[in-house]
Amino acid sequence: EVQLVQSGAEVKKSGTTLKISCKASGYTFIDYYMHWVQQAPGKGLQWMGLIDPENGETVYAEKFQGRVAITADTSTDTSYMELSTLGFEDTAIYYCTTGGPTYWGQGTLVAVSS
Amino acid sequence: DIVLTQTPLSSPVTLGQPASISCRSSQSLVHSDGNTHLSWLQQRPGQPPRLLIYNISNRFSGVPDRFSGSGAVTDFTLKISRVEAEDVGVYYCTQATQSVTFGGGTRVEIK
Repeated sequence: EVQLVQSGAEVKKSGTTLKISCKASGYTFIDYYMHWVQQAPGKGLQWMGLIDPENGETVYAEKFQGRVAITADTSTDTSYMELSTLGFEDTAIYYCTTGGPTYWGQGTLVAVSS
Repeated sequence: DIVLTQTPLSSPVTLGQPASISCRSSQSLVHSDGNTHLSWLQQRPGQPPRLLIYNISNRFSGVPDRFSGSGAVTDFTLKISRVEAEDVGVYYCTQATQSVTFGGGTRVEIK
């Protein structure tokens, strides 16, 4: 059974950096891209970027370019999403998803405060 | 970027009646590999999204057959043949032909 288990909820100060993890199991980690998606409260889904775990190549959405970094550790089958210079607008649930978009993590709630 | 426009924004439906959601793309979603990477997701309240349909019309494992997808090139439709209470939520179309984008979502609610 494919599972994506994300790290727990976070409260961050504005201007700081967020790092969330997503541990994959039940499939060969390097076989599928890992995507990250942002969902602000009461809003729709916003694609942030992806990584090819096989070679580490990334593609980022223009909206997050320069602030986001997605990595993958093939020794632990874990992907990470780092978002810097947090603002209040980054308060959201963040999801990892793979299999284009077949499998989803449970989501990580992030609140940004002053 | 490819823009996906969903209509309607909200769909109040009587239990047992059909519902239909449209997704229109700003560009052709036919990929060079011959597939059209258009999927439909369901997001129940408080839950992560769940895949219903992939490549226009293929139901994912475990998805009830009251859900069906159709369309081609730039115009796509998700149909629920008979809405049940558990179908309440927001439905999104999404494309992975060129990068990834999502439609704005359609809320399905019971009248």
